[in-house]
Amino acid sequence: GEDVEQSLFLSVREGDSSVINCTYTDSSSTYLYWYKQEPGAGLQLLTYIFSNMDMKQDQRLTVLLNKKDKHLSLRIADTQTGDSAIYFCAAGDSSNTGKLIFGQGTTLQVKP
Amino acid sequence: SAVISQKPSRDICQRGTSLTIQCQVDSQVTMMFWYRQQPGQSLTLIATANQGSEATYESGFVIDKFPISRPNLTFSTLTVSNMSPEDSSIYLCSVDSSSYNEQFFGPGTRLTVL
Repeated sequence: GEDVEQSLFLSVREGDSSVINCTYTDSSSTYLYWYKQEPGAGLQLLTYIFSNMDMKQDQRLTVLLNKKDKHLSLRIADTQTGDSAIYFCAAGDSSNTGKLIFGQGTTLQVKP
Repeated sequence: SAVISQKPSRDICQRGTSLTIQCQVDSQVTMMFWYRQQPGQSLTLIATANQGSEATYESGFVIDKFPISRPNLTFSTLTVSNMSPEDSSIYLCSVDSSSYNEQFFGPGTRLTVL
C-alpha cells in the first residue's frame, strides 16, 4: 500500500522561506495534498496538486511535484510566526475512493 | 468549501463506556470519512461512511468497536465502544468534494479515556 514520509521538524527564522519535503511510494496517486494543523485545532486544507502538474503556486505557497522521484515539497515564502504548526502531506488513494494516506507531519517552528 | 461541525469537541470518559461522536456538514456530500489521530501521531483512516449501506472499514478497525451510522447525506456518527485508555485520540470526520480533489476536515473530537 501507499506510504508517505516526511521529516519531523523544521526551524526557520521569520521572513525566511520554509521548505517542507514529502516522499510517497504509489506513483498512481492522483492527487497530493498539504494540510496545516495548529495546536488544538483540526486540519486545514492548504493546497493540493494533481499528479500531472509539476508546480502550483497560491500566494505565499508553492508546491513542487517530482513525479519521477515521487517527491513533493511545500515552500512557504516570507514565513511568519503564525505559520508555526504541523504540516501534513497526504496522498490520495490510487483507487480513487477518496481515502487519504497521511505522512507523519512536519512541525514547523518559526523564530522571531 | 464545506463547513463541518463535530460534537462533542472533547470528552473525558471512563474505561468500558461508549461515546458517540456526531459529524454534521452544511451541504450534501457523497463520501464521509472517519480518521483517528493518536497523541503525537499522524492520521489513520478508520472507515468510509456510505449513505444507505454499511461502512467500509480499514484493516485493524472493526464494526463492533467502531460502529458507524450514515442516515443521510449531511450527517454521520462514529461510536467508540467499550473504551480503553488506548482509545484516547482525536477523532476527525472529513468529507470529499464531488470530484475527490478537495477533502475537508471537521475540528475533531478530543477523547480521553481514564
